Amino acid sequence: DTAVSQTPKYLVTQMGNDKSIKCEQNLGHDTMYWYKQDSKKFLKIMFSYNNKELIINETVPNRFSPKSPDKAHLNLHINSLELGDSAVYFCASSQVTGRETQYFGPGTRLLVL
Amino acid sequence: GENVEQHPSTLSVQEGDSAVIKCTYSDSASNYFPWYKQELGKGPQLIIDIRSNVGEKKDQRIAVTLNKTAKHFSLHITETQPEDSAVYFCAASAGGTSYGKLTFGQGTILTVHP
Repeated sequence: DTAVSQTPKYLVTQMGNDKSIKCEQNLGHDTMYWYKQDSKKFLKIMFSYNNKELIINETVPNRFSPKSPDKAHLNLHINSLELGDSAVYFCASSQVTGRETQYFGPGTRLLVL
Repeated sequence: GENVEQHPSTLSVQEGDSAVIKCTYSDSASNYFPWYKQELGKGPQLIIDIRSNVGEKKDQRIAVTLNKTAKHFSLHITETQPEDSAVYFCAASAGGTSYGKLTFGQGTILTVHP
């Protein structure tokens, strides 16, 4: 069974469009995260939610808006897509915040043309 | 904020040799140090982690050492196999005070030649 799943796996879209990426975890974890991996493989945290409450909000353009309808889901909506948004976006989850293992999803490869 | 430096960026070894990847961190409050392996087209997967109250941890062919005084930690892989080829990331977290925020190193591309 998939622990952390993301949809879609691939997303190709035009500049200026709005798109969403969905994430679901079936591990019963309280905390979920969004990371961005750029073309040089650098991984950087974007957001974190604990029990549907935003707890980490890094310096991310406000075109990016996370939404957590319940603690098993954390979606990422991106408005007015730009070329620089092209990257791989990973969702992750952990049991609690702090020193706990984070489990990553398979990633969503976003290409903005 | 935390800054994690990882070296080398690429590492090529022969099957059966050992591989060592080193990381340094800047925030003395960091107390959790995981290592992730990322295979092509997949998400990072935890392979081993160490907490600040221990200096070394082993799991079969993989070991991690931590020197809190010097603020560096290392991943050691012995008897490397071709399936060890992947990108490896170190990370650091200040635990509860950082709400689980992981700061990653730049990654090391490990290639194990048969």
